[in-house]
Amino acid sequence: KAGVTQTPRYLIKTRGQQVTLSCSPISGHRSVSWYQQTPGQGLQFLFEYFSETQRNKGNFPGRFSGRQFSNSRSEMNVSTLELGDSALYLCASSLGRASGNTIYFGEGSWLTVV
Amino acid sequence: GQQVMQIPQYQHVQEGEDFTTYCNSSTTLSNIQWYKQRPGGHPVFLIQLVKSGEVKKQKRLTFQFGEAKKNSSLHITATQTTDVGTYFCAGPLTGGSYIPTFGRGTSLIVHP
Repeated sequence: KAGVTQTPRYLIKTRGQQVTLSCSPISGHRSVSWYQQTPGQGLQFLFEYFSETQRNKGNFPGRFSGRQFSNSRSEMNVSTLELGDSALYLCASSLGRASGNTIYFGEGSWLTVV
Repeated sequence: GQQVMQIPQYQHVQEGEDFTTYCNSSTTLSNIQWYKQRPGGHPVFLIQLVKSGEVKKQKRLTFQFGEAKKNSSLHITATQTTDVGTYFCAGPLTGGSYIPTFGRGTSLIVHP
């Protein structure tokens, strides 16, 4: 079956702009999580959505937001971009249950803010 | 949320040597997961450990979960160039959550 698909793969934005990243989870997966990966901070959890509801949230400012649609596809938005937002944004999907749960990552969206 | 610390940050080995990375938490973990990320790639789930003292093997990889469920290790026997990448351990975000919160990772460099 198809894996986790993220679009776009690469993008360059200017400071102050906003960006929307998209994630299509594996078919049947209802949980979608987003992570930011940078060389200095490693992999940091942004938020998780399950059945269109944000279920968990990391320690990121309100400029970072997300949503999930009824088909489990998810988007994350970053407004008023800063240089420090340059990172690899990873989406991960899973069945969303506590046991026997495997997390599958997409290939990520590389965001460069100039 | 739970925090996991991982050491070393980098490890250079000659092909054929063994490699070990360690993961520690100040609190008891309900589970621990391990991931591998190849250079330029995305993290790939390797395994989840749940039971105290659990040991699991995948070919040349051996994963251990400590008796107190506060530490874990990944050991690779006779490294190969295909083992190159960053290995992450991840504890649950909160309590019994399945959402992983990651350590900083150990980057393994294998010299042929």
